[in-house]
Amino acid sequence: DSGVTQTPKHLITATGQRVTLRCSPRSGDLSVYWYQQSLDQGLQFLIQYYNGEERAKGNILERFSAQQFPDLHSELNLSSLELGDSALYFCASSGTGQGPQHFGDGTRLSIL
Amino acid sequence: GQQVMQIPQYQHVQEGEDFTTYCNSSTTLSNIQWYKQRPGGHPVFLIQLVKSGEVKKQKRLTFQFGEAKKNSSLHITATQTTDVGTYFCAGGTSYGKLTFGQGTILTVHP
Repeated sequence: DSGVTQTPKHLITATGQRVTLRCSPRSGDLSVYWYQQSLDQGLQFLIQYYNGEERAKGNILERFSAQQFPDLHSELNLSSLELGDSALYFCASSGTGQGPQHFGDGTRLSIL
Repeated sequence: GQQVMQIPQYQHVQEGEDFTTYCNSSTTLSNIQWYKQRPGGHPVFLIQLVKSGEVKKQKRLTFQFGEAKKNSSLHITATQTTDVGTYFCAGGTSYGKLTFGQGTILTVHP
């Protein structure tokens, strides 16, 4: 158990819809990272938050947004969903900026 | 932007054979981390290398960080069926962002 909690585990929705993925980091970790993993793209970094502030951005689409709340949990919002957004979305957390990242079990998003 | 290339993409070995995966970055790294993802699981941190030329061992696993801090390798001696999974290297920046390689999928035949 990594200590990182992601909900929901599975999400099935239709094109054009909007979903919210939630992540609770390990106790004490200030950094939260979001990744997208699909079969042909590996682990793609989306965005990082540190103590409520956006720290780094990867290849995150404009249709996607995220935030980290004062209690340090984070949410990833995906809107106007397309078939290609079907993937496994991982959240990870770390204590310091450069240390190991601890991953949650992921949310599997399926777009029909 | 920073790119991290990892080879090979797939590796099939017989149990007991050795295995090596290689990682190359387009830029100098602050650190490199290695993760293992079992089928159906999430990436799990294995090790972090920070110093130029650093070598670390964990039982049958040996990790190296190149002198220029742009390449790294993971070597597994005498593979076991429990070693099955995808091994990722990830190049780190000073503020924590990781760029993951594409991963090497290791299959071990008993």
